[in-house]
Amino acid sequence: SQQGEEDPQALSIQEGENATMNCSYKTSINNLQWYRQNSGRGLVHLILIRSNEREKHSGRLRVTLDTSKKSSSLLITASRAADTASYFCATDKRHGSRLTFGEGTQLTVNP
Amino acid sequence: DAGITQSPRYKITETGRQVTLMCHQTWSHSYMFWYRQDLGHGLRLIYYSAAADITDKGEVPDGYVVSRSKTENFPLTLESATRSQTSVYFCASSGDWTENYGYTFGSGTRLTVV
Repeated sequence: SQQGEEDPQALSIQEGENATMNCSYKTSINNLQWYRQNSGRGLVHLILIRSNEREKHSGRLRVTLDTSKKSSSLLITASRAADTASYFCATDKRHGSRLTFGEGTQLTVNP
Repeated sequence: DAGITQSPRYKITETGRQVTLMCHQTWSHSYMFWYRQDLGHGLRLIYYSAAADITDKGEVPDGYVVSRSKTENFPLTLESATRSQTSVYFCASSGDWTENYGYTFGSGTRLTVV
């Protein structure tokens, strides 16, 4: 079964708007990671947040983690057409162990 | 995807045939993984490895075999391919010193079993 579940499954916005994607998980985690996948390509790591962290920033990305609710959100600010991709959250219990993925959010940014 | 390569990029095989998907990484990463990606199921872990000669089953290992005689290679073999194994297969790796950078994925192998 999938550890992470993303919400929404699909999101369509205009360029310049912010995009927010949510992820929920079921069991305790070591860290939570977000990945991007462009159509027909492999996954690219975006950002990692540890279980003892609450918020992290990287460029236009902002990730929050609420371990009490077992949920995370990914915010992409000032979106661009090039941000169009699928976004996945993934969790592990320790580094090097199985990384469990959700089913992803398909983001479309319209120019 | 520099540093981790998968081959072939595309493969069509017949039901019942044995097929091997290759994965090679140049970073001496300890950890390597095989996932399959299907519509409606996201990415599911098939097998993973913590080091050479150490492998473990993931979520969907049936019908697959792996080996890891060298740190840099982690081939995945379908012993007798079935149509249900039609999928996109991704290899990934991670090192002890790269925890903050997540896992690095290859470009994938699109396998079709006819």
